[in-house]
Amino acid sequence: GQQVMQIPQYQHVQEGEDFTTYCNSSTTLSNIQWYKQRPGGHPVFLIQLVKSGEVKKQKRLTFQFGEAKKNSSLHITATQTTDVGTYFCAGPQGSGYSTLTFGKGTMLLVSP
Amino acid sequence: DAGVIQSPRHEVTEMGQEVTLRCKPISGHNSLFWYRQTMMRGLELLIYFNNNVPIDDSGMPEDRFSAKMPNASFSTLKIQPSEPRDSAVYFCASSLEKETTEAFFGQGTRLTVV
Repeated sequence: GQQVMQIPQYQHVQEGEDFTTYCNSSTTLSNIQWYKQRPGGHPVFLIQLVKSGEVKKQKRLTFQFGEAKKNSSLHITATQTTDVGTYFCAGPQGSGYSTLTFGKGTMLLVSP
Repeated sequence: DAGVIQSPRHEVTEMGQEVTLRCKPISGHNSLFWYRQTMMRGLELLIYFNNNVPIDDSGMPEDRFSAKMPNASFSTLKIQPSEPRDSAVYFCASSLEKETTEAFFGQGTRLTVV
């Protein structure tokens, strides 16, 4: 079945440093979504990318969808302690839109 | 809207007991999902309902797990009998099926089976 892999599993940065997490799918995706889960919390939707090569920005967060629609990345510029959490990518399971296969996530720790 | 509401937030039970987790999706959403999250396996989809009908239950671990959605505003996930390896956080999520299928997650139920 479809697999969604994320690297790294864990990253610890100093506040102000940049951070990037990468997501790779075993199959071509119709779209990819990113979620953030704070410690003790629940996943919260950040963004969806649909088009090949698409780049979207949310303040200090930059999301990219690969040309082949099999990989994606999330880059955070100048991390802050509020960025702490686990970042998940998720892709549709099968041909439908509805069900999502989540990556294992990248846990980000930011030290002040 | 209050979002997806799950109960209880925490459940501690003894091995062999029946456990029922409850979920109220966001009003108007027609898709509902149950996920299980553990450190080892991450977020796993257990079952997916669309318009109250189970569409994909291939993620349900075994016969001890069952899920129902008797109406558009309520779903349950039942484990009987429970085992220590079922200890995890169980999330319910709902969405409105369309091109942007943003999933809205509940706060989760942390289940501990001792």
